[in-house]
Amino acid sequence: QVQLQESGPGLVKASETLSLMCTVSGVPISIYYWSWIRQPPGKGLEWIGYIYKTGSTNYNPSLKSRVTMSMDTSKNQVSLNLDSVTAADTATYYCVRARADTVLGAVVLWFDPWGQGAPVTVSS
Amino acid sequence: QSVLTQPPSVSGAPGQRVTISCTGSSSNIGAGYDVHWYQQLPGTVPRLLISGTNYRPSGVPERFSASKSATSASLAITGLQAEDEADYYCQSYDNSLGGFEVFGGGTKLTVL
Repeated sequence: QVQLQESGPGLVKASETLSLMCTVSGVPISIYYWSWIRQPPGKGLEWIGYIYKTGSTNYNPSLKSRVTMSMDTSKNQVSLNLDSVTAADTATYYCVRARADTVLGAVVLWFDPWGQGAPVTVSS
Repeated sequence: QSVLTQPPSVSGAPGQRVTISCTGSSSNIGAGYDVHWYQQLPGTVPRLLISGTNYRPSGVPERFSASKSATSASLAITGLQAEDEADYYCQSYDNSLGGFEVFGGGTKLTVL
């Protein structure tokens, strides 16, 4: 049974870097894709990006310039860094396992299961 | 503004059938990419409801079904129950701007 647990500061100052960790249990992270998805308060879902065991990443174009994902297979952890945050980055951040398929030459994902989420507030 | 468009809200009485639409374009649903559906019960974490048109994780009732046509997709719920009241999101892949995953804006289902 796969379990995901996000951790990190719940409060980040504007212009600084948001850093979150996802600790995975029940499966080695090296065999799956992993994504981060966020949800601002009262709003919908936004995909941030994915990372795969080879170090391959793909990020949402709207966040690409500020996002870095990495993985530590020895600790079975996936991490997210988001630079230069603003109030618009206030959200609950979910770590999710991504199931992948190749369709028309593209890696396409769906998400199951989800972590409990880490609420992050950006303060001015 | 979401790449995939969903109605903000739908409602139905217990026992009825409701559908939630998800409208995309030629760079996502219309290009042939699958649509996946998620359910978020009040105050909880989203969960995968249906992947593509035929995969339901264990525990998801057969009352939930999905379909896709041209540039749109639909989630149908039959035999509506009070416990189905939740937010529902569609998700697909968009091949513009190098390719990325996209979500609909979400639909709030109210059981009357």
